[in-house]
Formats: sequence, structure tokens, C-alpha cells
Amino acid sequence: AQSVAQPEDQVNVAEGNPLTVKCTYSVSGNPYLFWYVQYPNRGLQFLLKYITGDNLVKGSYGFEAEFNKSQTSFHLKKPSALVSDSALYFCAVRVLRGATNKLIFGTGTLLAVQP
Amino acid sequence: DTAVSQTPKYLVTQMGNDKSIKCEQNLGHDTMYWYKQDSKKFLKIMFSYNNKELIINETVPNRFSPKSPDKAHLNLHINSLELGDSAVYFCASSQQTGSYEQYFGPGTRLTVT
Repeated sequence: AQSVAQPEDQVNVAEGNPLTVKCTYSVSGNPYLFWYVQYPNRGLQFLLKYITGDNLVKGSYGFEAEFNKSQTSFHLKKPSALVSDSALYFCAVRVLRGATNKLIFGTGTLLAVQP
Repeated sequence: DTAVSQTPKYLVTQMGNDKSIKCEQNLGHDTMYWYKQDSKKFLKIMFSYNNKELIINETVPNRFSPKSPDKAHLNLHINSLELGDSAVYFCASSQQTGSYEQYFGPGTRLTVT
């Protein structure tokens, strides 16, 4: 079955420290991978994606993600966390079914950045 | 300008009622989606329309009926509301081809009492 897993319900980090939010995937074929962020009482916002090319993908708000095919991972990273980064982060993978495609989301990881 | 908008933002209603949620996108996308986010924040796709045609229907009770009058609009009508329907419903849109990232609306919080 095609799926995406976020093994941590919550990640705590101090402001100014580097952060990593983990994501692993299981998909047949080449994966299209995405990260989204959800602030309280808001919709999801697209952060970045990996389709092909460079394994290190840069996105919005200083976030980046590293695609690792051998480990089937796509971890989200930021060199220096801000309190304003505190939010719910979702990893997603595109799944092709015939002529249609859909996103399967992970269960989300709550990032808490302490001042 | 808001890219994907939904109305209403909040909806409180009693069991057994029928209600609708509206969604509009001004991004020129050809595909629209409805997602349900439960109380544990788990996000699951319900429906997808491409150019007004239903292309994904994910084992959703037939009390839920999406309608797409044109490719910029996708509405969700729910009959005979149940307590378990309480959730946040998100509309999203994307291009069917290309980079595929989806753009989400602000959500509609439905509370069934």
C-alpha cells in the first residue's frame, strides 16, 4: 500500500536551534513528495516539493527538505528555528491511480519552538 | 485576492439537518478537492473533480454529494447530518498535470449537535 509516515507526533526545539521533522514514504515508482504547514485555525499552506533533480529542495520561510531514496525519507529541516515556526506540519505523497492523482497525507507533526 | 475561498467558516447545526459548504478558486486550476480533517487532525481526501467531472470518490457515505457547476467551484452538500460528521472540511485545488501542489482553502468547521 502506498503511504507516508510521520513517526513523531510532536517535535520540541529551542529557538535558534536547527529543527528536523521526519517523514518516510512507501510508493511504487518515482515519488512526488510535498510538505505543508498548518497554523492554528488555518488551511494548509504549501511549503515545498520534490519531483525530480536535486535531492535538497528549498522552500518557503527558510525550510528545506532532503530526499533520500535509499532510506525512502523526505525530512523537513531548518537551520535556525523561530517561535513563529510553531505549527502542524504534514508530509504528503502523490499517488497515481489511472489517469487521476491524489495526495496521501501523513498524520502530522506538531512543531513547538520554545523561546 | 483569496486564492481558494470557502463559505461558511463555521457551521453549527443539529443532527438530521441538511447543509451545504461552498468553495471557489480563482487560480485557474482544473481540479478541485474536498478533504475532511478530524479531531485528531488526520486529513483524508473525500472527493476530487477535474473539469466538473468526478474522478475520486473515497468511500464517503452517499449522504455527502459534491457538485461542481463549473471548474472554479466545488460545493459539498450533506444530508441527514450525524454527530460523526463534525470536523473541519477543506477545499483545495490544483492542476491535474504539472507540479501537482494543491492550494487549500481556510476550512469550514462543522459542528453537529
